[in-house]
Amino acid sequence: AQSVTQPDIHITVSEGASLELRCNYSYGATPYLFWYVQSPGQGLQLLLKYFSGDTLVQGIKGFEAEFKRSQSSFNLRKPSVHWSDAAEYFCAVGVSYNTDKLIFGTGTRLQVFP
Amino acid sequence: GAVVSQHPSWVICKSGTSVKIECRSLDFQATTMFWYRQFPKQSLMLMATSNEGSKATYEQGVEKDKFLINHASLTLSTLTVTSAHPEDSSFYICSASIPPGDTQYFGPGTRLTVL
Repeated sequence: AQSVTQPDIHITVSEGASLELRCNYSYGATPYLFWYVQSPGQGLQLLLKYFSGDTLVQGIKGFEAEFKRSQSSFNLRKPSVHWSDAAEYFCAVGVSYNTDKLIFGTGTRLQVFP
Repeated sequence: GAVVSQHPSWVICKSGTSVKIECRSLDFQATTMFWYRQFPKQSLMLMATSNEGSKATYEQGVEKDKFLINHASLTLSTLTVTSAHPEDSSFYICSASIPPGDTQYFGPGTRLTVL
């Protein structure tokens, strides 16, 4: 069965530090991968997505993610974190071309210290 | 673009009553809308998928008679929680997708508290 694992429940970083949020997936075919961010009182916002092509994907707010098929991973990175990046981050896999279903990971809560 | 709204943003009701939550795509026509449930500090769990003009497809374990979904138009889907009980208290989130190959856009969610 398809699944998404986010091993880190909670991560704390200092403002200006680099960030990497881990995501591993289990899916038999070529996955369609997403990273969403959820801030309090706001809906999930799409940061970036991977459907095919270049395995390094650039997103909004300075985020990027790299698809590594050999490791079944799609880790999210940002070179310098801002205090406004504090939020809950969800990795998700779409299980068909038209993303009929998204399977979400359990999320990683990011806390940023000044 | 691609804005999805939900109404209400929060609702408190008495046990046994029914509650309707609306999900609207404001600037695009959504062929498919999805309803999720999110428990505190947990992930989003897909409840059902609805396509305009047809019956919703429910995920395993979701009671279709308790969670009624209507997708009357390409911009509106509603979720009605019937005979609500305290265990139905949760955060309900909808999303809408543009035709195949695109992305789901999420609403801000509705917090339901059943007393």
